Amino acid sequence: DAMVIQNPRYQVTQFGKPVTLSCSQTLNHNVMYWYQQKSSQAPKLLFHYYDKDFNNEADTPDNFQSRRPNTSFCFLDIRSPGLGDAAMYLCATSREVGTSGRDQETQYFGPGTRLLVL
Amino acid sequence: AQSVTQPDIHITVSEGASLELRCNYSYGATPYLFWYVQSPGQGLQLLLKYFSGDTLVQGIKGFEAEFKRSQSSFNLRKPSVHWSDAAEYFCAGDYKLSFGAGTTVTVRA
Repeated sequence: DAMVIQNPRYQVTQFGKPVTLSCSQTLNHNVMYWYQQKSSQAPKLLFHYYDKDFNNEADTPDNFQSRRPNTSFCFLDIRSPGLGDAAMYLCATSREVGTSGRDQETQYFGPGTRLLVL
Repeated sequence: AQSVTQPDIHITVSEGASLELRCNYSYGATPYLFWYVQSPGQGLQLLLKYFSGDTLVQGIKGFEAEFKRSQSSFNLRKPSVHWSDAAEYFCAGDYKLSFGAGTTVTVRA
């Protein structure tokens, strides 16, 4: 089945130690998103890629970076994790079919990676 | 800012009873609207979506939602709740998915 895969499901890192979360998709979607979801809160969009074009949300901290080496893979890099970065990180994909930015099809989510910072 | 709001933080319902979750939006144009469900520790699963056309939308797991422009609402309904419907429900809008705060549904036996 076509799907969005996130590895690992659980990640433990140390305060200040760089960490990378990965996302892959078999849907061949051209848009990929990273969301941060803290406990009992709604997901918050960090950034998204439209093909190779990177789009950062205005309030995403510089500590968060992303790479998309090809259509199938997208990585979230946290350069110096703080205790406040402990959260669930969700990857999603969609197929954007138009040029207006509104012809967006549904976003499909992966299972998420729960990050713990010690 | 354009957004969606979910007025109810927590709803408790008896198994077999009906369920309605409220969602209000504040977009000028006809928005894209979605309902997602999230079980504890899991990702988000799409229940249904509205882009245009028929205002009553059928989704998976027996859920439906009705788009009402006059009330700026997109409420989610299920006629008979099962214990497995206990989860967090998110309404979201527009192509970059502005999420509501979520509604936690508890199902009592």
